[in-house]
This record gives sequence, structure tokens and C-alpha cells, in this order.
Amino acid sequence: DIQMTQSPSSLSASIGDRVTLTCRASQSIDSYLNWYQLKPGKAPKLLIFAASSLQGRVPSRFSGSGSGTDYTLTISSLQPEDFASYYCQQSFSMPYTFGQGTKMEI
Amino acid sequence: QVLLQESGPGLVKPSETLSLTCNVSGGSVNNYYWSWIRQPAGKGLEWIGRLYASGSSNYNPSFKSRVTMAVDASKNQFSLRLSSVAAADAAVYYCARSSSPVTLGIWGQGTVVIVSS
Repeated sequence: DIQMTQSPSSLSASIGDRVTLTCRASQSIDSYLNWYQLKPGKAPKLLIFAASSLQGRVPSRFSGSGSGTDYTLTISSLQPEDFASYYCQQSFSMPYTFGQGTKMEI
Repeated sequence: QVLLQESGPGLVKPSETLSLTCNVSGGSVNNYYWSWIRQPAGKGLEWIGRLYASGSSNYNPSFKSRVTMAVDASKNQFSLRLSSVAAADAAVYYCARSSSPVTLGIWGQGTVVIVSS
């Protein structure tokens, strides 16, 4: 299985901050990388697919980049609703696997 | 707007079979990929497997032969059966729909499963 490693595991930030989360795969995943946002009691939300494509209705302050084994999710200006957990997921090969998540706190 | 809602018993005894249903409203089950994902308390997400509406399936080998998924177009539902459950199977279980085989586009809110005698 492809192992996905996210960093940091938790992050304290402030409204308006620019933050970058990272995700590293144990082998090249050819940009088959998705990012999800999870909030307690709510349906998880797909933010970014194929490493850098913004899912519909996702604010443009979210962006993704990367290639090969290394990927990033950037939030250009944190808003109150962005405080959540974020997970990367590879869909290059099955079984699909997720990173352990980054919990973003105020 | 399509909405997914997971439902199930909430409490399952060890060694028994867990059965969950994903009720789909505002859209059809046809021509989509349907997945189950779970998250044990305090841990990360784990992909269980997926089913295309036509019937082809892919399961996570870590579940070996314990898992079965099915789509019921007449009820607009997607289901999961996980046999021989143990404490490690306690988690929030999510269903997800996607038009692409490489994303999990729309998720339900999840349902909590406790494994206890």
C-alpha cells in the first residue's frame, strides 16, 4: 500500500493567515492526490482533486500543488470556517489511502 | 442537490455482521462510483472499498473477505456488510459518491458504529 504522510499533524493559526499543509507519498502518485476537509458532525468535503484542481463551489483561497511524491494544500487567508481537519488521499493505486490528517486550530 | 445519509444499528456485538445503508436523495444511484470510508475515534480515514453501479467492485484487501457492498437501484440505496466485526471495527462510517473513479466527491455525514457485547 502507498503510505501518505502529512505534516504538521496539528497547526495553530489566526484569521487571515496564509497556511500550507504538506502531504508526502511513499512513492510517486502522478498527481492522483485529493484533499478533503472534515468537520465534526458534518459531511466531509472534497476541496482539491488531481493535486491542483479546485472542486466546484470551493473558495478560491484554497489551492493545491505538487507532483511526484510531494504535495501541498495552501489556504491563502484563513477564514473562521476553515478551522477543521484536512486529509490528503492518493488515488493512484488501490487500496486508496489517506494521510493521518492535519488539525487546524485557532 | 444530492444528499447522502448513512443509517445502521449503531451497536453491533463482536463476531456479528455490521449492516449499513446509505440513503440517496436528490439523485440516482446509477452511473456513479459508491464508496465506504471509516474513521475510528482519534484516528485517520480508511478506505473500505467501492462499487460501481453496474456491479464492479474494488475492496481494500485489509478487509479480506469480510466486506460486501451493493447498490439497490429500486430503493436508491447503497449498502455495506462487514462480517465478523471486532472492537477495531468501531468507527464513524461514511458513504461517498463520485462520478470519477479517483475522487470521493460527495459524502454523507457519517454514522457511528460501536462494537460491544
